[in-house]
Amino acid sequence: DAGVIQSPRHEVTEMGQEVTLRCKPISGHNSLFWYRQTMMRGLELLIYFNNNVPIDDSGMPEDRFSAKMPNASFSTLKIQPSEPRDSAVYFCASSLQRDNHEQYFGPGTRLTVT
Amino acid sequence: GEDVEQSLFLSVREGDSSVINCTYTDSSSTYLYWYKQEPGAGLQLLTYIFSNMDMKQDQRLTVLLNKKDKHLSLRIADTQTGDSAIYFCAGLGHGGSQGNLIFGKGTKLSVKP
Repeated sequence: DAGVIQSPRHEVTEMGQEVTLRCKPISGHNSLFWYRQTMMRGLELLIYFNNNVPIDDSGMPEDRFSAKMPNASFSTLKIQPSEPRDSAVYFCASSLQRDNHEQYFGPGTRLTVT
Repeated sequence: GEDVEQSLFLSVREGDSSVINCTYTDSSSTYLYWYKQEPGAGLQLLTYIFSNMDMKQDQRLTVLLNKKDKHLSLRIADTQTGDSAIYFCAGLGHGGSQGNLIFGKGTKLSVKP
């Protein structure tokens, strides 16, 4: 298995632009997680899905952030409009089921908003 | 909810043992985890311990759990330069956070030759 796949690996954009991050979880995994990592705040859970349904989005910073999971093999995290403070590494992870303790992380997308 | 605390930095010499410590607040966490993050990469599950265990050993890794003090440690024997990374302690959330991993801020381990 290729593991969790994220694209793009790096994104540089200007303030105000829309940014879309993509994730393909491991085949057969039912839960998908989006995290954000910064030096100041560490690793934060933004949202997670179970069987394509958003379960907890309390970590989403504000309405500029939205996430979708239209099917079991694809999820997007969108920021519109982007701001410099959104600069971070965004990780997607998947696990077999919601209570499964083994989360497999993708390589991350490094987002820079200028 | 769960809160996980770790020291931020640890420096050791190659061949020595490394001990990375972590404290947590939620005594009902059923599992506690150690993840490793190498530069430019995602997190990788290293090992985990079930809450009814005191110790778990896996090759060079030893996890110790003190439930009374809510203290978790990861010992790496014969530390190598390839062990240089950030190590995250995490607990499994409950209630509204059920299924979530609550991560500490990570301990950066530097191994000097």
